[in-house]
Amino acid sequence: GQNIDQPTEMTATEGAIVQINCTYQTSGFYGLSWYQQHDGGAPTFLSYNALDGLEETGRFSSFLSRSDSYGYLLLQELQMKDSASYLCAVRDLEGGKLIFGQGTELSVKP
Amino acid sequence: EAQVTQNPRYLITVTGKKLTVTCSQNMNHEYMSWYRQDPGLGLRQIYYSMNVEVTDKGDVPEGYKVSRKEKRNFPLILESPSPNQTSLYFCASSSHEGASGANVLTFGAGSRLTVL
Repeated sequence: GQNIDQPTEMTATEGAIVQINCTYQTSGFYGLSWYQQHDGGAPTFLSYNALDGLEETGRFSSFLSRSDSYGYLLLQELQMKDSASYLCAVRDLEGGKLIFGQGTELSVKP
Repeated sequence: EAQVTQNPRYLITVTGKKLTVTCSQNMNHEYMSWYRQDPGLGLRQIYYSMNVEVTDKGDVPEGYKVSRKEKRNFPLILESPSPNQTSLYFCASSSHEGASGANVLTFGAGSRLTVL
């Protein structure tokens, strides 16, 4: 079956670094992406990896290891506004299917 | 402004009363998709369209219909809504261009539907 696993909740302190892990089991793989969603709002795109390695975009970085079916999102210099749900998504063998994990609810404390 | 527009944003309806949630994008994107989001279940794909006149089922298509007659529009139709279709619905689009294009979705603001 198809499955994407990520932690349900995480808590971190303002100014710190947090890593949100994502593991996946899908019938195919055409890329792993990350989205941020504030409560009740629309998900917004953060980062994308198709090949192994690290992609950096400002305070956010994303890593992928295809051999391990594993990726993570790294958030540095945490700010209160980073409190949100972070969604991991994998594009499956059928190119139009983008499968989402259940999301990781990140709380940033002062 | 590049955007995906959904309407209505909020709707309360009754079982069996047909309804349509419209979705329109102004970015000339080939790909469009509908998702529903429920607590504890995350975003689940209902239908998607790779281009005009091409639609395919996602993971939870039962009870829904879609059409893609024009590139910009991708309406979601609930022919006979039932209470288990009460949910938050998102429309999204992306371009096929480039290696990452199909993975970069732009979402609409969401439509909160309640079926009594």
